[in-house]
Formats: sequence, structure tokens, C-alpha cells
Amino acid sequence: DAKTTQPTSMDCAEGRAANLPCNHSTISGNEYVYWYRQIHSQGPQYIIHGLKNNETNEMASLIITEDRKSSTLILPHATLRDTAVYYCIVRLPYNTDKLIFGTGTRLQVFP
Amino acid sequence: AAGVIQSPRHLIKEKRETATLKCYPIPRHDTVYWYQQGPGQDPQFLISFYEKMQSDKGSIPDRFSAQQFSDYHSELNMSSLELGDSALYFCASSLAASGQETQYFGPGTRLLVL
Repeated sequence: DAKTTQPTSMDCAEGRAANLPCNHSTISGNEYVYWYRQIHSQGPQYIIHGLKNNETNEMASLIITEDRKSSTLILPHATLRDTAVYYCIVRLPYNTDKLIFGTGTRLQVFP
Repeated sequence: AAGVIQSPRHLIKEKRETATLKCYPIPRHDTVYWYQQGPGQDPQFLISFYEKMQSDKGSIPDRFSAQQFSDYHSELNMSSLELGDSALYFCASSLAASGQETQYFGPGTRLLVL
């Protein structure tokens, strides 16, 4: 079973920041939060991951609450090409740990 | 940068036929994962291999088998195909030695069973 809860869908205006929340209240101490996205039937694309500190890369920022029970993925300037299903996944960072995809959030970026 | 390669990209088979899907991981990656995504569904884990040994197994039917070869590429063999096997099949690869190994996905193989 997925260990995360995400809103089913969200809208965002092009050029604005998209803030995608994720609840993972049962996360264990050594589990990481990973974010992937899937653009219409393409292979899931890795975005970012973190343990407890906030993380930023060229695609997005990840804000993890101090108690680690929730996090927010931030796309600072959403574009139409960011329209996708975004998956928040909690997992151990070991080579045998599969990804368990929940239902994800369908983000629609509009002009 | 080189990505995960999957072949074929599209495949049409009839019921009870067999199919073989191939996955070529990112160079130097030693772990391969297979996922199945049915129409309107989220990806579901099937099976994984690390250093040519099966490392984990999910909801993979007994009709399916897979292996990882010495060059780290992997093949998913599907026999006695059923209509319900129609799906996108994704392969992902990772490098176990990296510590916080991240899975990178290929473009997928779309299988249609008629």
C-alpha cells in the first residue's frame, strides 16, 4: 500500500509557482521522500528527493516539515510542459527497494 | 547523458502468444526494475534484479519471467498472453553503489494484446 496521500488534482497558471503537497505521516526515520512525475504515458521522470533538509535542484524545490510527516514540491515558475501526474513516494534508498506509486496529483498548468 | 533504452517501443500480439521486452540500463548501472502500467492506472512494480540476481518480486504473473544478463541488460518474457496484459511496461535502472540510488526510467514498451 502507498504510504503517501496527495490531492487528486490541482491547477496552476503558467508562470506561477505550483505547490504540490504530500502527507506521509507514517514515514520512518531512515525513509526518504522522492518525487517523480509522468507526462502523458511517458516514463516516470525523477524530480528530487530528500530526507529531512530542504532540497533544491534545477527542476524544483522540496520542503519537508520538521516532523517529516508532510512535504511540498515547489515548481517555481510552472510552464505548460509541467502538466503531468506528480507522485510523492516514500522509500528506503537501498537498491532492493521498489517504488510504490500511489494515485499522485494531476497538475494542469493553464495559459 | 545516456538514458535507459527499451525495445521494442510498441508491440502487438495475439492472445496466447509470447513476447519478449528488452531493457538496456544506463551505462554502469547494476540494478534493473520492471513496472507495468495498465490503462488509467498507476505503475505497479513487477520484479527487480541486482548484479544479475533477482532482488525483489511484486505482482508478477507466473506466466512472466525475467532475467538480467552479464552486460546488465534485462529481458522480460511473457507467455500465454492475455488481453489484460495490454499495458505500458517500464524499465528503470539505478546504481546501487551510489548510496542514495535513484531509479531512472526508460520510455516504455506499449504492448497491445488482441
